[in-house]
Amino acid sequence: EVQMLESGGGLVQPGGSLRLSCAASGFTFSSYAMSWVRQAPGKGLEWVSVISGSGDSTYYTDSVKGRFTISRDNSKNTLYLQMNSLRAEDTAVYYCAKQRSGGVTAAINYWGQGTLVTVSS
Amino acid sequence: DIQMTQSPSSLSASVGDRVTITCRASQGISNYLAWYQQKPGKVPKLLIYAASTLQSGVPSRFSGSGSGTDFTLTISSLQPEDVATYYCQKYNSAPITFGQGTRLEIK
Repeated sequence: EVQMLESGGGLVQPGGSLRLSCAASGFTFSSYAMSWVRQAPGKGLEWVSVISGSGDSTYYTDSVKGRFTISRDNSKNTLYLQMNSLRAEDTAVYYCAKQRSGGVTAAINYWGQGTLVTVSS
Repeated sequence: DIQMTQSPSSLSASVGDRVTITCRASQGISNYLAWYQQKPGKVPKLLIYAASTLQSGVPSRFSGSGSGTDFTLTISSLQPEDVATYYCQKYNSAPITFGQGTRLEIK
């Protein structure tokens, strides 16, 4: 059974940092691209970042470029999102998501339960 | 960047109705289009990928069509459990963009 468990969310002040983790199990982690997708309270889905199965390719939405870094440790079956210079508009539930293939051009077929990040003073 | 526009933004229909949701890409994306269902308080669920391929376990009343810039999600006979927000997503290249969502209610 595919499972993904996010952690690391919480309350942080504007300008602060957080590191999200996503522990995955039930599939060959290194064979699949992984994404972070966020959803602000009462709003729609927003894709944040994707990393290929090998970790060689990464992409970001414009609003987080230069502030967020996606990475993965295939030996630990874990996905990360380092978030720096956080802003109020980054407040959202952050979902870890598994894509259907190792490349970034694939639909998402599994989602974690999400972790809430609140940026507020 | 390619923009994804869904219509309508919300709709209300009766049980048993045929429901159609449209997604338009600002540039051609071939068939790199997925549809997701998000029920209130729940995690999104993949319904359709490659524009028209039904994800395993998804009821056959859901179908997808289209290619290039214009895509459609159809529910052939609306059921009460279909109350949800539906999102299209393009994934031909980064940025991977979602549509703004269509909220579906039962009349």
